[in-house]
Amino acid sequence: DAGVIQSPRHEVTEMGQEVTLRCKPISGHNSLFWYRQTMMRGLELLIYFNNNVPIDDSGMPEDRFSAKMPNASFSTLKIQPSEPRDSAVYFCASRRDRGRHGELFFGEGSRLTVL
Amino acid sequence: AQTVTQSQPEMSVQEAETVTLSCTYDTSESNYYLFWYKQPPSRQMILVIRQEAYKQQNATENRFSVNFQKAAKSFSLKISDSQLGDTAMYFCSNFGNEKLTFGTGTRLTIIP
Repeated sequence: DAGVIQSPRHEVTEMGQEVTLRCKPISGHNSLFWYRQTMMRGLELLIYFNNNVPIDDSGMPEDRFSAKMPNASFSTLKIQPSEPRDSAVYFCASRRDRGRHGELFFGEGSRLTVL
Repeated sequence: AQTVTQSQPEMSVQEAETVTLSCTYDTSESNYYLFWYKQPPSRQMILVIRQEAYKQQNATENRFSVNFQKAAKSFSLKISDSQLGDTAMYFCSNFGNEKLTFGTGTRLTIIP
């Protein structure tokens, strides 16, 4: 089975530009999570969806960040406008069966560099 | 709120030796799960071992085992017969209230 697929693997952009990160969860998984990893703050949960509905977005840093999940097989995390402090690795993860076990399966991450 | 604390930022050990990584956590949930994830230089997050809080028996996966002390809210990872491929960041994490919270990680280096 294919794992969680993220794109792009690497993105370099200039301050002020719009950035869109994409995620395809594992088929059959009904929860999807976006995490951000930085040296200073470690792994932070930004937002998670259950059955395509955003459940908790309290980790989204500010209005410049938005996330959508239009269907069960696709999600996006958008930053507009981007700033240098947004530079990080962004992970998408998915899980089957809300309320069971809790194991998350992670994608390989998208490394974002904002100049 | 959930918190996970890993007090060892870095550790190193000789190949074939045993090493223990420490983790403490706090949660208000009565039913929760604890995990250790490994992140090698490739940055892929890989599940190492899982512990269900309602089970008293410590989980074991081949060379990896945990010491789960529920009353003390402690969840340490023991790696036996360490191998060079074990070199990675190790994250302790707590799943509760539908969310996975991570510690700050321990960078483990296995020395040949």
